Amino acid sequence: DQQVKQNSPSLSVQEGRISILNCDYTNSMFDYFLWYKKYPAEGPTFLISISSIKDKNEDGRFTVFLNKSAKHLSLHIVPSQPGDSAVYLCAASARSGTYKYIFGTGTRLKVLA
Amino acid sequence: DAGITQSPRHKVTETGTPVTLRCHQTENHRYMYWYRQDPGHGLRLIHYSYGVKDTDKGEVSDGYSVSRSKTEDFLLTLESATSSQTSVYFCAISDPQAPQHFGDGTRLSIL
Repeated sequence: DQQVKQNSPSLSVQEGRISILNCDYTNSMFDYFLWYKKYPAEGPTFLISISSIKDKNEDGRFTVFLNKSAKHLSLHIVPSQPGDSAVYLCAASARSGTYKYIFGTGTRLKVLA
Repeated sequence: DAGITQSPRHKVTETGTPVTLRCHQTENHRYMYWYRQDPGHGLRLIHYSYGVKDTDKGEVSDGYSVSRSKTEDFLLTLESATSSQTSVYFCAISDPQAPQHFGDGTRLSIL
């Protein structure tokens, strides 16, 4: 029973265009959401997060949107760059608990030059 | 991440042997975690620690034990390794209310 789902295993986008990565969750107790970026043979790197009290958080080219009623979040990358090519992992947590994360299976983004 | 070191980075061993993986941090973070990553499953939590000598199970803890005798070190032990434990293992650290930061992983192969 996957509580965090990333239904698109891969995505290809032209350089300069917008990349949109999606994530769905089922547990209504989740109140903190994160995106990580992962290159091969490296550990995941924290990218951006959002608390359930917000519906949008922006950091440079990266914006995360949260739709609590739909239990859906998305990561927008604008403009996309070849260096953004990586696997993106969505994670969710109930922060009032033990700070354990549940991760999705990831989406591999390829930005084409 | 320079603040987290996993050792060894690669290990090949045989079924039935004990294996210990080490995670060392220099950030003085309270929480430490062990995950495994397998195709089709993403990252799954094995065990975590919320302080020295304070540990608890994650979602895939069977066959694994952990110990944390000091803040900076979190050890993961496979008492008797099985082929199903072939995986990439990641350690993470965090403080409360802060994102987890990961080491670069240990690739473990059990033949």
